[in-house]
Amino acid sequence: AQSVTQLDSQVPVFEEAPVELRCNYSSSVSVYLFWYVQYPNQGLQLLLKYLSGSTLVKGINGFEAEFNKSQTSFHLRKPSVHISDTAEYFCAVSDITSGTYKYIFGTGTRLKVLA
Amino acid sequence: NAGVTQTPKFQVLKTGQSMTLQCAQDMNHEYMSWYRQDPGMGLRLIHYSVGAGITDQGEVPNGYNVSRSTTEDFPLRLLSAAPSQTSVYFCASSYILGLAGESSYNEQFFGPGTRLTVL
Repeated sequence: AQSVTQLDSQVPVFEEAPVELRCNYSSSVSVYLFWYVQYPNQGLQLLLKYLSGSTLVKGINGFEAEFNKSQTSFHLRKPSVHISDTAEYFCAVSDITSGTYKYIFGTGTRLKVLA
Repeated sequence: NAGVTQTPKFQVLKTGQSMTLQCAQDMNHEYMSWYRQDPGMGLRLIHYSVGAGITDQGEVPNGYNVSRSTTEDFPLRLLSAAPSQTSVYFCASSYILGLAGESSYNEQFFGPGTRLTVL
């Protein structure tokens, strides 16, 4: 069964510094990959997604992620974070080959941007 | 469009009570799902549906029932609430591959959540 690992449960970073949030998934022939953000007391909203094509995906709010098939990774990056980026970030995988359309979420990474 | 709506926003139950969490979407999405979110565990899939009349179990289905009589609605029923069901519940919906093109595939839209406490 597909699984998603977000090794870092919390990442503190100073404002205007770069950040990388790591995501690894278990191997599969074909997957779609997503990053979602959850601000306090809100639902999740899509940051970016990888379906096919270019392995570097750009999303909203200056975030980008790179799909690396050989390392089964989909790390999220931002070159300069703002206080407003403080939130919880979830990586998710949809295993196309299973035919069930199910998402599997990671356990989340809490990004705290410090002034 | 209202998107995905959930009611109620907050609910307190006593052990053994039953209740239904409501979820509705107005985007004509085929796929709908229920998740529970617990600290340190991310989102876990409870039940999902790929269309009216079709439902299936996710990772943590025990203690919950669902039905899908219309495309728009996907209620989640707690049959006999237990303290272990204290959680935040999210409903989500999306298109299914092939019906709206790959660019729209499976981007899930989430409701605002229901915070449930079982005493």
